[in-house]
Amino acid sequence: AQSVTQLDSQVPVFEEAPVELRCNYSSSVSVYLFWYVQYPNQGLQLLLKYLSGSTLVKGINGFEAEFNKSQTSFHLRKPSVHISDTAEYFCAAPLGNTPLVFGKGTRLSVIA
Amino acid sequence: DTGVSQNPRHKITKRGQNVTFRCDPISEHNRLYWYRQTLGQGPEFLTYFQNEAQLEKSRLLSDRFSAERPKGSFSTLEIQRTEQGDSAMYLCASSGNRQLNTEAFFGQGTRLTVV
Repeated sequence: AQSVTQLDSQVPVFEEAPVELRCNYSSSVSVYLFWYVQYPNQGLQLLLKYLSGSTLVKGINGFEAEFNKSQTSFHLRKPSVHISDTAEYFCAAPLGNTPLVFGKGTRLSVIA
Repeated sequence: DTGVSQNPRHKITKRGQNVTFRCDPISEHNRLYWYRQTLGQGPEFLTYFQNEAQLEKSRLLSDRFSAERPKGSFSTLEIQRTEQGDSAMYLCASSGNRQLNTEAFFGQGTRLTVV
């Protein structure tokens, strides 16, 4: 089973609508969870991370994510998306000696 | 700009040739990582260094791939006898300490095309 699973490969959404990008993790990973964003032809940029403490984590650009241990999930949300949020989003976590294992990514397309 | 720097940004090479990529991490970072990303996939871990020591290598890293970080600063990734399947974006990242919860900062990548 994949260590970090992103359930949706593509998510189209209209501008100013809310969005949720789903991520589930397996018990094999260390429970330090990250969301990264990749704009076209760019490297990855950290959106937010969960290390411990409050299960609701706020990140940059208005994004937030909620760590849910019982559902082994770390879904990313934004209440109102903008055209500039169009990008690829990756969930990641450490696995054993591997510093970060990434999911396959979710392409968010914001439609005007 | 003190971010992670990768050179070249793009490389086109003929099958069978050798290529070398360079990564300059953020100056005070002692961990350096190499990842490979193909179209429509997430980054796949290749290897990482703690200072000059190479601590972990993925099974993806065949014998044709070698990475070095001789003085614990910049790193090089060499691919010998390139194959078309090596075409990908090669990403470098660095982080500041040994903790698993430390953020990794990524460079913009080197896009390799093998023709």
